[in-house]
Amino acid sequence: GAVVSQHPSRVICKSGTSVKIECRSLDFQATTMFWYRQFPKQSLMLMATSNEGSKATYEQGVEKDKFLINHASLTLSTLTVTSAHPEDSSFYICSASWGGQGFWEQYFGPGTRLTVT
Amino acid sequence: GNSVTQMEGPVTLSEEAFLTINCTYTATGYPSLFWYVQYPGEGLQLLLKATKADDKGSNKGFEATYRKETTSFHLEKGSVQVSDSAVYFCALSDQRAGANSKLTFGKGITLSVRP
Repeated sequence: GAVVSQHPSRVICKSGTSVKIECRSLDFQATTMFWYRQFPKQSLMLMATSNEGSKATYEQGVEKDKFLINHASLTLSTLTVTSAHPEDSSFYICSASWGGQGFWEQYFGPGTRLTVT
Repeated sequence: GNSVTQMEGPVTLSEEAFLTINCTYTATGYPSLFWYVQYPGEGLQLLLKATKADDKGSNKGFEATYRKETTSFHLEKGSVQVSDSAVYFCALSDQRAGANSKLTFGKGITLSVRP
């Protein structure tokens, strides 16, 4: 149980275009999802906390107008990278929070590799 | 604030060697502690967890014990395999924010196991 999927797994886009990444909790409802960014050989950097039905909370230094997050349902959050540039190329990972075992745990998606040319 | 410190890597071992990866933390309250593993090109998988002091998490031959007195959660395995080659992240969550509880990650350490 507690499976999280991401789509697409890889995407290549041209500079100036927008890209949408989906994160889905497949077998549980998640009021909270998180979006991370990971640079090569580095740890995960939290970008934002996404709550169903409300605006996302962004971490300091993350441009909310560039990284649009929507959490329209209890099983789906989307991250849209607007007007992408090569420096936005990265590995984006989402997680969904679930407390079914008596404590809160994050379940991670498989990640999306974004390459901006 | 919360922080997690992992030993510097990378680590290279021969198959069947003993593994220890050190992890210490700083946190207010009583955090839950986690070890995650990341295989090349993939997302994170939970390896094991401990939610209170003296708890031992274990999975796939890996173990880690929540030591409150030394604020540590060292990962150990008695005999590593080539398939254990991956990046390992130690993390904590203070749980106080409920579903919004954030994870604080260590920098990660790359383990390579040679045949």
